[in-house]
Amino acid sequence: KNEVEQSPQNLTAQEGEFITINCSYSVGISALHWLQQHPGGGIVSLFMLSSGKKKHGRLIATINIQEKHSSLHITASHPRDSAVYICAVRSSGSRLTFGEGTQLTVNP
Amino acid sequence: DTEVTQTPKHLVMGMTNKKSLKCEQHMGHRAMYWYKQKAKKPPELMFVYSYEKLSINESVPSRFSPECPNSSLLNLHLHALQPEDSALYLCASSRGSTVLAGEGNEQFFGPGTRLTVL
Repeated sequence: KNEVEQSPQNLTAQEGEFITINCSYSVGISALHWLQQHPGGGIVSLFMLSSGKKKHGRLIATINIQEKHSSLHITASHPRDSAVYICAVRSSGSRLTFGEGTQLTVNP
Repeated sequence: DTEVTQTPKHLVMGMTNKKSLKCEQHMGHRAMYWYKQKAKKPPELMFVYSYEKLSINESVPSRFSPECPNSSLLNLHLHALQPEDSALYLCASSRGSTVLAGEGNEQFFGPGTRLTVL
């Protein structure tokens, strides 16, 4: 069993839909990252959080430390949101443990 | 400047070639990282430099040789690679590599170098 599990693996939505991607982890962490990777490679850090909730534009990230669970929400989804979303946790030092990623496709 | 830059964007090399990948940041970060990412897989950590010293080597074959000439630059020297080494190589940096309270140690990623070994 991976230390970081994401669901779903693949998600297809229609433009405008509300999207939720989930991340569960099995280790104690100091921070959790949500990352976005578009085709062609570069990774963008969307959020880093250790408690509560963060919001940036149409993106919202929440974390429940007791339940070892985090969610990434996208409101009013758009085709340009199509990308791979990766959950990564930092448990000690600088090492990140990555989930397998969620491939999101938003159709117009 | 909150950017990590990597050159080249794409690299094609033969198994006998020697080449280098370069990474640069000007955020004053003292930790820098090399990751390897195969298609449809998450990044795998290769090396971590902290204050220009190698602090983590994830049992990477010696045909990959990292170098950190100063706090802003990170190189990855490649020699006698195999076709299975073809991948996206990502560089990242963060303020430090030791545990910082809460959210102080975010990693910033570069755009990557797409490497093809023939």
